[in-house]
Amino acid sequence: DTAVSQTPKYLVTQMGNDKSIKCEQNLGHDTMYWYKQDSKKFLKIMFSYNNKELIINETVPNRFSPKSPDKAHLNLHINSLELGDSAVYFCASSQDSLISGNTIYFGEGSWLTVV
Amino acid sequence: AQKVTQAQTEISVVEKEDVTLDCVYETRDTTYYLFWYKQPPSGELVFLIRRNSFDEQNEISGRYSWNFQKSTSSFNFTITASQVVDSAVYFCALSEAGGAQKLVFGQGTRLTINP
Repeated sequence: DTAVSQTPKYLVTQMGNDKSIKCEQNLGHDTMYWYKQDSKKFLKIMFSYNNKELIINETVPNRFSPKSPDKAHLNLHINSLELGDSAVYFCASSQDSLISGNTIYFGEGSWLTVV
Repeated sequence: AQKVTQAQTEISVVEKEDVTLDCVYETRDTTYYLFWYKQPPSGELVFLIRRNSFDEQNEISGRYSWNFQKSTSSFNFTITASQVVDSAVYFCALSEAGGAQKLVFGQGTRLTINP
């Protein structure tokens, strides 16, 4: 059983489209995250949710809207996709983001290519 | 502001050699956490180790060892008797204790182990 699973793993879409990436964790964690890895492999946090509440929003464009229906799920919806959105998006989870130092476990990544 | 620097962009060694990956961090907090993650060619991010700022004891796990030195703000990772399967990009990351948890990653070191 994959602890943090995200779908789809690969996504190729045209500029201007709207797409979603889904994420689920079965670790019983309270906190979930989205990280973005660019073409140079640089990893940066986008959002974090603790028990369905937004905790971190790292100046991500409004076209990106996370949604957490429950604490085991955190989906990422992207509107009006741009070429620069091409990246690998990683979902992650940890026990409780408000208690620092917990290990963050990552999903396998979703490769988004905008053409 | 927190920052992690992995000065070695790429390292290439022959199998069975020992190799050390450097990580230098910056933080104003006295309590913080350091992590190493491995990203193999398949793309997922695999957690390797977490260390808190109050525990300077070095850690060994099989062929892997970590040297944490607060005096030089470094958290270096050594692989002994490297194997081809160790080929991956390795990321060092920092999380500060204050506020909601987020990982700040270094740029990553691409390690290639040649047979």
